[in-house]
Amino acid sequence: AQSVTQLGSHVSVSEGALVLLRCNYSSSVPPYLFWYVQYPNQGLQLLLKYTTGATLVKGINGFEAEFKKSETSFHLTKPSAHMSDAAEYFCAALPTGFQKLVFGTGTRLLVSP
Amino acid sequence: KAGVTQTPRYLIKTRGQQVTLSCSPISGHRSVSWYQQTPGQGLQFLFEYFSETQRNKGNFPGRFSGRQFSNSRSEMNVSTLELGDSALYLCASGDSGETQYFGPGTRLLVL
Repeated sequence: AQSVTQLGSHVSVSEGALVLLRCNYSSSVPPYLFWYVQYPNQGLQLLLKYTTGATLVKGINGFEAEFKKSETSFHLTKPSAHMSDAAEYFCAALPTGFQKLVFGTGTRLLVSP
Repeated sequence: KAGVTQTPRYLIKTRGQQVTLSCSPISGHRSVSWYQQTPGQGLQFLFEYFSETQRNKGNFPGRFSGRQFSNSRSEMNVSTLELGDSALYLCASGDSGETQYFGPGTRLLVL
């Protein structure tokens, strides 16, 4: 069965520093991959997605992610963190042929001034 | 386009009661999925409906059920509530593609 692993339940960065949130999926057939962000007391907002084509995907709010099939990874990055980026981030996979997202356990991003 | 709406936003129930949650998808979307989010288990898939038919189901007991109406609105029902059912219930809608768009959720507290 498909699974998604997010390394690090908490990541702390300073404002202006690079953000790197890690995600690995377990599948010999690459699924569709997504990053969602959740702010307190809110639902999930789609940041970006990878389906096919270009392996470097750009999303909203300056985030991007690179799909690496050889490493089964889909890490999320942002060159310069902003205080408003503090939230919980979820990586998710959609196995081919199923409308059932499989989520990682989430990474809480803390941004300090 | 308006986003996914869920009602109510907050609910308090007692053990043994039942509850019905509602979700209105984005206009034109025919797929509605439900997820449960808890601190211990994270985000777990409950079920997915497409054109009034349940297409996928997660590993939840039969107390959890759902349905979808002809206008794509969906309801989720939980009968005989248990303390462990306290969670944020998220609804997501999708078109014929692969992307799911989430609503703000309904926070259920079972006492």
